[in-house]
Amino acid sequence: DIVMTQSPLSLPVTPGEPASISCRSSQSLLKGGYNYLDWYLQKPGQSPQLLVYLGSIRALGVPDRFSGSGSGTEFTLKISRVEAEDVGVYYCLQVLETPFTFGAGTNVEIK
Amino acid sequence: QITLKESGPTLVKPTQALTLTCSFSGFSLRSAGVGVVWIRQPPGKALEWLALIYWNGDKRYSPSLQNRLTLTEDTSTNQVLLTLTNMDPMDTATYFCAHFSTMVTTGYFGYWGQGILVTVSS
Repeated sequence: DIVMTQSPLSLPVTPGEPASISCRSSQSLLKGGYNYLDWYLQKPGQSPQLLVYLGSIRALGVPDRFSGSGSGTEFTLKISRVEAEDVGVYYCLQVLETPFTFGAGTNVEIK
Repeated sequence: QITLKESGPTLVKPTQALTLTCSFSGFSLRSAGVGVVWIRQPPGKALEWLALIYWNGDKRYSPSLQNRLTLTEDTSTNQVLLTLTNMDPMDTATYFCAHFSTMVTTGYFGYWGQGILVTVSS
């Protein structure tokens, strides 16, 4: 199985400040020029929602303050200016091969 | 508009089997590049992928649970059923189904159900 390692697991943030979450995979997620890595946000009491797919493509309706980058085994999700509505748990997910595997999650909270 | 909704029992006893239904609309499970996945989340813990059924009927299961998991589909009613046998208190979790877009240039769970909390207790 591909192991996904996220860091940090907890991230206190100040509104208006940037934030960054890292995700590392135990093997490359790059295939045919595409990185099969997604980012999801699970707001409190809600189902997860897709933020970014293929490593760097924002999903429809996702604000442009969210950006995904990276390739191979190292990926980053950045929030350029955190807003109060961005609190929740962020997960990376590899969809290169089954079993699909999630990271442990990063809990983003307002300081 | 794509929607999914999970249904089934919210309380099961240890050793019993759990069958959950994912009822969906807005897409066909016979369309190329489409799948339905099941994911679960124990209270306060991370997401765990369980199973996937592709548009062509191919099925994949979590290796740690594949001896206990079965997916079935009913294309006439747009439902996917997940059966998990020999339930244990460790299987207490919120179970989600989601639409999986699986073309070369996609690969994501774009739409999720609201989830159903299943508690395993005697």
